Amino acid sequence: DAGVIQSPRHEVTEMGQEVTLRCKPISGHDYLFWYRQTMMRGLELLIYFNNNVPIDDSGMPEDRFSAKMPNASFSTLKIQPSEPRDSAVYFCASSGTGGSGANVLTFGAGSRLTVL
Amino acid sequence: QKEVEQNSGPLSVPEGAIASLNCTYSDRGSQSFFWYRQYSGKSPELIMFIYSNGDKEDGRFTAQLNKASQYVSLLIRDSQPSDSATYLCAFSNQAGTALIFGKGTTLSVSS
Repeated sequence: DAGVIQSPRHEVTEMGQEVTLRCKPISGHDYLFWYRQTMMRGLELLIYFNNNVPIDDSGMPEDRFSAKMPNASFSTLKIQPSEPRDSAVYFCASSGTGGSGANVLTFGAGSRLTVL
Repeated sequence: QKEVEQNSGPLSVPEGAIASLNCTYSDRGSQSFFWYRQYSGKSPELIMFIYSNGDKEDGRFTAQLNKASQYVSLLIRDSQPSDSATYLCAFSNQAGTALIFGKGTTLSVSS
């Protein structure tokens, strides 16, 4: 398996532009997560899906952020309009339901976003 | 607000020593606890998870869990320079479906 695949790996954009980050989870995994990592706030859970349905989006910082999962093999995280404070590394992760209730997450390589 | 507290470090240990990393969590309903390692510029990777009180060993790594004290730790025996990384503690939400992460502790192992 190729693991969790994210694109783009790096994105530099100007304030006010729309940004779309993409993720392909591991085949067979029924959970997909979007996290954001900054030095100040660490690794924050933004939203997660189960069987393509959003379960908890309470971590999405503002209405400028939206996420979709149209099918089991693809998800997007969109920021519109982008702001400099959105600069961070965005990770996608996926998991299946582990034994004994332990959900083991596998992370993608991340998308480093810089908003100028 | 569910929180995970970790000492940010850096924690510096000489090669061959035992490194001890600690973590406290706020949600008493949490059932599973995880340690991830993250090298600079890379994504987090799982080291091990634990869900029962006591110790769990995997090679040079031992996770220790005390639910009454809401405390979990990771011991790394015979530390190697390749262990130099940031170690992230995480706990599962009550549904056991998502992980809440601490900010991580940076470990530096000197040769």
